[in-house]
Amino acid sequence: GAVVSQHPSRVICKSGTSVKIECRSLDFQATTMFWYRQFPKQSLMLMATSNEGSKATYEQGVEKDKFLINHASLTLSTLTVTSAHPEDSSFYICSARVGGSYNEQFFGPGTRLTVL
Amino acid sequence: SQQGEEDPQALSIQEGENATMNCSYKTSINNLQWYRQNSGRGLVHLILIRSNEREKHSGRLRVTLDTSKKSSSLLITASRAADTASYFCASSPISGGYNKLIFGAGTRLAVHP
Repeated sequence: GAVVSQHPSRVICKSGTSVKIECRSLDFQATTMFWYRQFPKQSLMLMATSNEGSKATYEQGVEKDKFLINHASLTLSTLTVTSAHPEDSSFYICSARVGGSYNEQFFGPGTRLTVL
Repeated sequence: SQQGEEDPQALSIQEGENATMNCSYKTSINNLQWYRQNSGRGLVHLILIRSNEREKHSGRLRVTLDTSKKSSSLLITASRAADTASYFCASSPISGGYNKLIFGAGTRLAVHP
């Protein structure tokens, strides 16, 4: 099956710093990648949809200046949490969709962000 | 709210028993998918059922879809301790094209040896 990786798997940072999370599709080209956020024991909330070569589409209530998304190639999307605060601590999961499919998304293993 | 609803929120059973989880969604869909998540890990795709399908099987999994009630169920037969995980349904709304997935709240399944 298609493999999606995320890096780092875990990051701890100080309040006010910026953190970049990478999402890569390893064995396929992903025209669309998605970023989700998950709080403990809760479901996934879609933050934004990222299409290669164009601006990301953010869901209502998600600050685009806070969560910068860059989809530079068909295999890489990055999420940068700018000026992180403790309330940004969460589990961030990316997924990638193979173009032309019936919307099957392949998920990365997630990144645990802890902001002190 | 983005989320669909799932019930039960938590389910505890013995190995060998069947586990049934239900999911409801809010708008017309292209398809509905079920995912599994082990604690602190990413999601694993289990099964996809299209809006014109009513039932689908994959190994010990059986999924049903009732578009008139906007609901779906996942049945795991002959459960094993290794099935312990959280299970999420995710609907693909027609309004979102083929891009969006709206996740349910999830069911935490515990299978005891």
